[in-house]
Amino acid sequence: AQTVTQSQPEMSVQEAETVTLSCTYDTSESDYYLFWYKQPPSRQMILVIRQEAYKQQNATENRFSVNFQKAAKSFSLKISDSQLGDAAMYFCASYSGAGSYQLTFGKGTKLSVIP
Amino acid sequence: DAGITQSPRYKITETGRQVTLMCHQTWSHSYMFWYRQDLGHGLRLIYYSAAADITDKGEVPDGYVVSRSKTENFPLTLESATRSQTSVYFCASSVTAYNEQFFGPGTRLTVL
Repeated sequence: AQTVTQSQPEMSVQEAETVTLSCTYDTSESDYYLFWYKQPPSRQMILVIRQEAYKQQNATENRFSVNFQKAAKSFSLKISDSQLGDAAMYFCASYSGAGSYQLTFGKGTKLSVIP
Repeated sequence: DAGITQSPRYKITETGRQVTLMCHQTWSHSYMFWYRQDLGHGLRLIYYSAAADITDKGEVPDGYVVSRSKTENFPLTLESATRSQTSVYFCASSVTAYNEQFFGPGTRLTVL
């Protein structure tokens, strides 16, 4: 079974600054995928970024980037130039297939952005 | 409009009643999923479907029933609602199991 751990229940960042959200995962599979989802107060789940485990290059999407450390099973999300609209719950998730089709989520990190 | 929709958005029911939550997607995605979201637990998978007429259990299936007779619909039924099933329920769909899952807006269910 997979597990995903987000050790920071809450974090805050000043507007325009950089913040890093932590995520560790545990899987026995060699081929898997990792995701960060954002859930603003509207409750809508939105994909932020996706990483394939077989790719060594870290994924980036505009102000969002990841630090993927495969050996350490770590998948942190860096948000640069934080904006008020970045305030949300952020969920790390992993998928490893193996007939399961299950996306396993962490418990989330609540990010506040201070003006 | 294209996308994934859920109905109702809010539902209050009583213990023991049957409740069905609806999910509809217009992309013809093969995969559909039902999650529940509770404080302190993140999202947990209830059931998923890889195609019409193919469904399987997720992490927390007890007390729930699903069906998928058409690709675009994936209803979730609580056969006899319990208070522990008070939660926010999300439906999602994806092209493949490992691609981005697109989520519906959620249904907040309260069981009294």
